[in-house]
Parts: sequence; C-alpha cells; structure tokens
Amino acid sequence: GAVVSQHPSWVICKSGTSVKIECRSLDFQATTMFWYRQFPKQSLMLMATSNEGSKATYEQGVEKDKFLINHASLTLSTLTVTSAHPEDSSFYICSAPRGSGRTDTQYFGPGTRLTVL
Amino acid sequence: AQSVTQPDIHITVSEGASLELRCNYSYGATPYLFWYVQSPGQGLQLLLKYFSGDTLVQGIKGFEAEFKRSQSSFNLRKPSVHWSDAAEYFCAVGSQGGKLIFGQGTELSVKP
Repeated sequence: GAVVSQHPSWVICKSGTSVKIECRSLDFQATTMFWYRQFPKQSLMLMATSNEGSKATYEQGVEKDKFLINHASLTLSTLTVTSAHPEDSSFYICSAPRGSGRTDTQYFGPGTRLTVL
Repeated sequence: AQSVTQPDIHITVSEGASLELRCNYSYGATPYLFWYVQSPGQGLQLLLKYFSGDTLVQGIKGFEAEFKRSQSSFNLRKPSVHWSDAAEYFCAVGSQGGKLIFGQGTELSVKP
C-alpha cells in the first residue's frame, strides 16, 4: 500500500523559534497534500491544502504567515511553524491522496508531535 | 454545512462482544464516507469506504459499515471484538478537492 512518512516524529522547541515538519509520499506522487492538526482527545482539523507548484490554500482561521507550507516536489510538502508559541503545541498530521478527486483514498503520515516550551 | 457527528466519545466492550460505532453526516450531495482507525504512534489507517453501490461495505480487520441515506448514517460494526481493536475510530466525509471532514472520534476500549 501507499506510504506517507513524516519527519520528525516529535520535536520540542523553545518559544519564538521556528520548526519545520516534512511530509513525504514514499511510493507515489502527490500533487496535493493536506495538513491537519489534532489536539489531545479531539478530532483532526484541516489546516491547509498543499499544492505542488502553487500556493497553499488555507482553511478559515488558519494564519498563513504562521504556518508556512511549501510543496517542493511531487513527493514532499513541508509545514513550518514560525515563531512558535506554547499554544501551537499539537499533533500535526499530513495526508496525501492517490488520485485527484473526492473518491481518492487518503494516506496519512504517522504525525509529528510538537511541544513548544 | 458539511459535518460529521460521532455521538459516542468513548465505548467499552468486552472481548468477543459485538461492536457498533455510530456516525451521522450532513452533506448536500452524494456523500463519500470513510472510517479510519488511529492507534497510538501510528498514522490513520483506512478501514473501509463507501462511494456508491452496495450500502453494506466490507473493510479490513473484519469491520463492516452500512450506509443508510434515510438516516444520514454510516455506522461501523464488528461481530466479535479483539483486544487489538482498542483504538480511536474516526468517521469522515469526503469534500471538494479531496478534503476530509472528520467526526470527533470514538475511543474504543476492550475489556478482557
């Protein structure tokens, strides 16, 4: 089956620093990837859609200047949390669909746990 | 507005007992529905999906789900639960552009 990896799996950083999270589709190409945020015991909330070769599309209420997304290639998307603060501590999950429509199966990365001190 | 509701936050069942996890959706068009399972330290794994056709969908690990349009439901079932099924379960509906809208999740605990 399709595999999506994330790196790092966990990161601890100081308040005010920036953190980059990578999402890779290992055995397929993905022109679109999605970034989700999950708080403890809560659901996944879509943050943005990462588009290869163009700007990311952010969901309402998500600060695009704080959560920078770059879709560098057909297998790599990165999420950079800039000037991180403790309230940014969360579990960040990416997914990549195989195909290009609503019926696609999304393959999820294992997630990255960010802790901001 | 599009939404998914999982009424049960936490369910505990005995090993070997049957299981039903509830999911209700609100979607204007034909819904594309999914059930995912999330285990600690692992990514979300697709259990099954419904796009069209037979309303009873078979998935992996012995799970099945039934789409009932009249009730806007897509409940997940398993006839006999194993201890390894303990995890968080998410129902989701597919939206435009491949986005997924998730329910709140149901945590399943399995008693020995």
